[in-house]
Amino acid sequence: QVQLVESGGGVVQPGRSLRLSCVGTGFTFNNYDMHWVRQAPGKGLEWVAVISYDGSDKYYADSVKGRFTISRDNSKNTVYLQMNSLRAEDTAVFYCAKSIWYGMDVWGQGTTVTVS
Amino acid sequence: SYELTQPPSVSVSPGQTASITCSGDKLGDKHVCWYQQKPGQSPVLVIYEDIKRPSGIPERFSGSNSGNTATLTISGTQAVDEADYYCQAWDSRTVVFGGGTKLTVL
Repeated sequence: QVQLVESGGGVVQPGRSLRLSCVGTGFTFNNYDMHWVRQAPGKGLEWVAVISYDGSDKYYADSVKGRFTISRDNSKNTVYLQMNSLRAEDTAVFYCAKSIWYGMDVWGQGTTVTVS
Repeated sequence: SYELTQPPSVSVSPGQTASITCSGDKLGDKHVCWYQQKPGQSPVLVIYEDIKRPSGIPERFSGSNSGNTATLTISGTQAVDEADYYCQAWDSRTVVFGGGTKLTVL
C-alpha cells in the first residue's frame, strides 16, 4: 500500500524555524520526484517546492524562496522541508505528495504548522 | 507569474452533468491535472495529463484541454462528488494550482 506520512508540524513563533519530514512506503521512493504543498485555513492549495528523484534539482514557489529548503534522504525514504524565518502567513496544513507525470498521485494526511 | 482561474462555485442536480473550467494563457499547451478534496481530507488526483483517470476513479470523471481552457466533466453527478476541485499545471519549473471550485450537488 502506497503511503506518505508527514510529521514535524506544531506551533512556532514568528522568525523561528521548523523542519517537516515525510516518509514514503509501498513504492520505490528513489524513483520519484516529491513535492510539498500547503493549504492555509479555509484557503486553496499552494505549491511550495519539488525535489527530483535523486535530489539534484529543487524548485520553489516565490513565496518561500530563500526561506525554505527541500531535501531528501533516499536511504530513509524521507523528504524534508526546512522552514526558516517563519511568518504568520506560513500557517497552513503542509502535505507531501508523490510526483506522477505532470501531477501528484499520492498525498499524505498533512501536518499542521501554526506560526503565532 | 502564471495564473489558473476557476469559478468559485458550481452547482448541479444529482444525475446531471457538472463542468468545471480552468483558464490560463495557452493552457492547451500544458498538461493539466485535477484534484478532488473533501472537507478534512487530503486531495485526491482524479485526472492527469488532461484526460487520463487514475485507477479507482469512476468513469464519470473526464477531462479535456484546448486553447486557454481545461474542463473537468462529471457525468451523472452523485452526492458523493460534492467537494472542492482544483486544477493544476506546470509553468517554468514551478507548479501552479487554480483557486479551486466548490461543487455543490443539490
